Amino acid sequence: NAGVMQNPRHLVRRRGQEARLRCSPMKGHSHVYWYRQLPEEGLKFMVYLQKENIIDESGMPKERFSAEFPKEGPSILRIQQVVRGDSAAYFCASSPAQDIGYTFGSGTRLTVV
Amino acid sequence: TQLLEQSPQFLSIQEGENLTVYCNSSSVFSSLQWYRQEPGEGPVLLVTVVTGGEVKKLKRLTFQFGDARKDSSLHITAAQTGDTGLYLCAGAPVEQAGTALIFGKGTTLSVSS
Repeated sequence: NAGVMQNPRHLVRRRGQEARLRCSPMKGHSHVYWYRQLPEEGLKFMVYLQKENIIDESGMPKERFSAEFPKEGPSILRIQQVVRGDSAAYFCASSPAQDIGYTFGSGTRLTVV
Repeated sequence: TQLLEQSPQFLSIQEGENLTVYCNSSSVFSSLQWYRQEPGEGPVLLVTVVTGGEVKKLKRLTFQFGDARKDSSLHITAAQTGDTGLYLCAGAPVEQAGTALIFGKGTTLSVSS
């Protein structure tokens, strides 16, 4: 029973390119959450999705960032026209319901050069 | 302003010592969760505390939820080098029910032999 799978583990992008981060939740989990982690800031909530629906995107910048969780396939966090400040570890988590403990993936470490 | 304040931020101790880390808020939570994160990996759920005053034990780790459900503590007895990691508390305030978990910045624990 695989856990939450994130890929790629490491991603290097030049300024102005697009970054696509993928997350496959645990089997049976329909709630997906994306967080960003920087050493001095901790884990910051970005977006909460259920299948085909964005439940809460209050933590995600309005510009350049988007997320989806289609009926089939993984959840995608997309960052357009990346800038150096987007460099961080991005974690995806899933849960079978709200208020249930999250299972996290191993993260994608994005470096913008 | 951080909704969940964790202290201390850093803790460095010798193997065999006891320690307590704290998670405090001015908000009331329906539950609080504790996670441990190792370098290069995602957080792993340790425990969820739900009832005010609840105490849960996980081997040498003791978790307590405050009576008013605004704070929690984690006590480790006879720390081992394998306890080294970042300890995070997380929850959703009752006035924000149905939203994703908010995380504290964590306590970085280093246990040396």
